[in-house]
Amino acid sequence: DAGVTQSPTHLIKTRGQHVTLRCSPISGHKSVSWYQQVLGQGPQFIFQYYEKEERGRGNFPDRFSARQFPNYSSELNVNALLLGDSALYLCASSFGQTSGRYEQYFGPGTRLTVT
Amino acid sequence: LAKTTQPISMDSYEGQEVNITCSHNNIATNDYITWYQQFPSQGPRFIIQGYKTKVTNEVASLFIPADRKSSTLSLPRVSLSDTAVYYCLVGDNYGQNFVFGPGTRLSVLP
Repeated sequence: DAGVTQSPTHLIKTRGQHVTLRCSPISGHKSVSWYQQVLGQGPQFIFQYYEKEERGRGNFPDRFSARQFPNYSSELNVNALLLGDSALYLCASSFGQTSGRYEQYFGPGTRLTVT
Repeated sequence: LAKTTQPISMDSYEGQEVNITCSHNNIATNDYITWYQQFPSQGPRFIIQGYKTKVTNEVASLFIPADRKSSTLSLPRVSLSDTAVYYCLVGDNYGQNFVFGPGTRLSVLP
């Protein structure tokens, strides 16, 4: 079975630019979450989407936004990039709130470098 | 929000049992506890999840006391390939927030 996939694998952007990261969940999973992992630290929760609606948001500025599509894939958008946005961006999928199964499965991540 | 703490690092030898504890003093009623393994430049890999008491699967056991303010991941008979960073994650499934611990770097020595 295919796991969570993310694209691109690596990305280099300049300060002030905009970036879009993409995620495809495991088949049958309806919930997608996004995390930011700075080198040497644990992942930080950004968003969770379930059935195309935002269900949770972490402590990130409004420059970060996301959406989920009818096929349950998701995009994370970051505007006005700062050097501090350089990190590994992780996507995780799960069955969702009504399933009774809560474990999240992570993709390989997108390594974003802002110069 | 639950705040989680873990030991920064641990050393073990091949074949030993390893126990890693995560403290989450203000865990909420709806929160689950999940443990992940992460290798460099990879996404976290799911190990085990629980709510209370003891959960066991083919790779690990998870012990959660009645007050749920801590949890212990138990890895039986570790091997060199178990050298990785281990994270606990506390959060409900309603997406209000998910909080990872700082991670425990486990080094398995021959």
